[in-house]
Amino acid sequence: DAGVIQSPRHEVTEMGQEVTLRCKPISGHNSLFWYRQTMMRGLELLIYFNNNVPIDDSGMPEDRFSAKMPNASFSTLKIQPSEPRDSAVYFCASSLIPSGGPYEQYFGPGTRLTVT
Amino acid sequence: AQSVAQPEDQVNVAEGNPLTVKCTYSVSGNPYLFWYVQYPNRGLQFLLKYITGDNLVKGSYGFEAEFNKSQTSFHLKKPSALVSDSALYFCAVRDPSGASKLTFGTGTRLQVTL
Repeated sequence: DAGVIQSPRHEVTEMGQEVTLRCKPISGHNSLFWYRQTMMRGLELLIYFNNNVPIDDSGMPEDRFSAKMPNASFSTLKIQPSEPRDSAVYFCASSLIPSGGPYEQYFGPGTRLTVT
Repeated sequence: AQSVAQPEDQVNVAEGNPLTVKCTYSVSGNPYLFWYVQYPNRGLQFLLKYITGDNLVKGSYGFEAEFNKSQTSFHLKKPSALVSDSALYFCAVRDPSGASKLTFGTGTRLQVTL
């Protein structure tokens, strides 16, 4: 299995531009998570989906951030417009969550976003 | 609300010595606990988990963790540290009520020296 795939691995953009991060979860997994990691704030959960449905988006910083999961094998995290304070490493993770079964999450390699 | 605390920002240990990375948790009910490791410029990798049963859990790369309910702790241990174990370690807890998300600690940087 290829694991969780994220693209791009690095993104440098100017303030005000739209940024789209992409994630392909592990085949067969039914939950997907988006995290942000910074030195100041550590690892933060932004949003997660179960069976392609957003369950908890309370971690999304503001309306500039949006996430979609149109099917079981693809998700996007979009920032529009981007700001320098959005600079961080964004991770996608997936998991198999059967009823009553707490399974671990598998993380992708991350996308390092720099907004200038 | 569930939470985990990793009281040490950094742990230093000499290669060959035993290591312990501490984690305490707060959750209603019986917890599901996890340890992850992050190497530089990489995503988090799962090491081990405690769900129920034996309080000593064995995981990848020779790591193990001891669940202590009375002390609400889940410390990560390894009998003999390697320089290659140097990384950032995260403890995490999952809400036993059924919500899928994990709550992560702030991380502990482990530095193993020769």
